[in-house]
Amino acid sequence: EDQVTQSPEALRLQEGESSSLNCSYTVSGLRGLFWYRQDPGKGPEFLFTLYSAGEEKEKERLKATLTKKESFLHITAPKPEDSATYLCAVQTSGYALNFGKGTSLLVTP
Amino acid sequence: DTGVSQNPRHKITKRGQNVTFRCDPISEHNRLYWYRQTLGQGPEFLTYFQNEAQLEKSRLLSDRFSAERPKGSFSTLEIQRTEQGDSAMYLCASSFDRGSPLHFGNGTRLTVT
Repeated sequence: EDQVTQSPEALRLQEGESSSLNCSYTVSGLRGLFWYRQDPGKGPEFLFTLYSAGEEKEKERLKATLTKKESFLHITAPKPEDSATYLCAVQTSGYALNFGKGTSLLVTP
Repeated sequence: DTGVSQNPRHKITKRGQNVTFRCDPISEHNRLYWYRQTLGQGPEFLTYFQNEAQLEKSRLLSDRFSAERPKGSFSTLEIQRTEQGDSAMYLCASSFDRGSPLHFGNGTRLTVT
């Protein structure tokens, strides 16, 4: 059965303190890996899709990378507005995305 | 592009009552998904429609749950004889094609008392 594990569960950073979130996966036949951001009381907001090992995507202070076993979401010089839960999801042979439990990020001024 | 719209935003119901939620996807998206999310967890897949056809259902989806997508446009999710364990955020998402990212609505929060 497909498994998606995100770590850490929670992360507190000072503004400007760069860090990385991890998403490790055990799946049979990865078709795509997705990163989402979710604010409290809202639906997940799409950030990136990665399809193959070695691929990287960037958007503002965020950079996502993919290997054959895991993906990282690097946050460079975060700001308080980057505080949110970051979700990783994989798509394999079916139609659905299989989500991890997320990493709750708090960035303090 | 007005995004995925879900109604109502909140629903409080008593155990044993039936509830129905509505989802209006992005107009050019023919794929529609329902997910359920509880506190501290990621979204869990419930069911998937391509146009009006329901092509995949999770084993989590009990007989009390039914979803429809008449004419391949909006979708409804009905829960019959609600239980306290049904309390959750119900999320709808749509996508353009397989492999495209899912675009989520802001969900319907269900509280069963």
